[in-house]
Amino acid sequence: KAGVTQTPRYLIKTRGQQVTLSCSPISGHRSVSWYQQTPGQGLQFLFEYFSETQRNKGNFPGRFSGRQFSNSRSEMNVSTLELGDSALYLCASSLVGGIDEQFFGPGTRLTVL
Amino acid sequence: KQEVTQIPAALSVPEGENLVLNCSFTDSAIYNLQWFRQDPGKGLTSLLLIQSSQREQTSGRLNASLDKSSGRSTLYIAASQPGDSATYLCAVRFDSARQLTFGSGTQLTVLP
Repeated sequence: KAGVTQTPRYLIKTRGQQVTLSCSPISGHRSVSWYQQTPGQGLQFLFEYFSETQRNKGNFPGRFSGRQFSNSRSEMNVSTLELGDSALYLCASSLVGGIDEQFFGPGTRLTVL
Repeated sequence: KQEVTQIPAALSVPEGENLVLNCSFTDSAIYNLQWFRQDPGKGLTSLLLIQSSQREQTSGRLNASLDKSSGRSTLYIAASQPGDSATYLCAVRFDSARQLTFGSGTQLTVLP
């Protein structure tokens, strides 16, 4: 069974631009969560989607948004990029979310210049 | 505030040694705890998931224990190998939250 896939793997953007990252969960998984990883803050939760609905949201500004499609694929968008948005963005999928095991993708490395 | 702490931040051991990684959390009301491994620049690989009703889980050379009352978990690695070198992350799902709360990780180096 294929694992969680994320595209693109690397991105370079400049301040003020916007970016869209994509995540395809493991087949049959309906929950997708997004995390940001930085050297200073570690791994921080962004949001979780289940059945096309945002079910949970972390403490990030409104510039960070996401959505989920009917096939469970998810995208996250960051608008008006700032230097501090440079990070590894990780997507995790699970069967139904909540308390079941989460499986992570390889991440998208975003660099903001 | 619900927090997860991992000490030490880095650990270096000779090949073949048995070792223990520590994880502590501030609230004993948890759903489960998951241990991950992360290689440099890569995503997270799930190692073990322990439900709140369990005391331990084993997979190959890995054994994870959970003591909710004391807010602690340990990951035991037997007969360490250079390929075990990575950052090990502990993540807790507290009762009051659906998402995982991560520790800052322990960077393990196994010397040949």
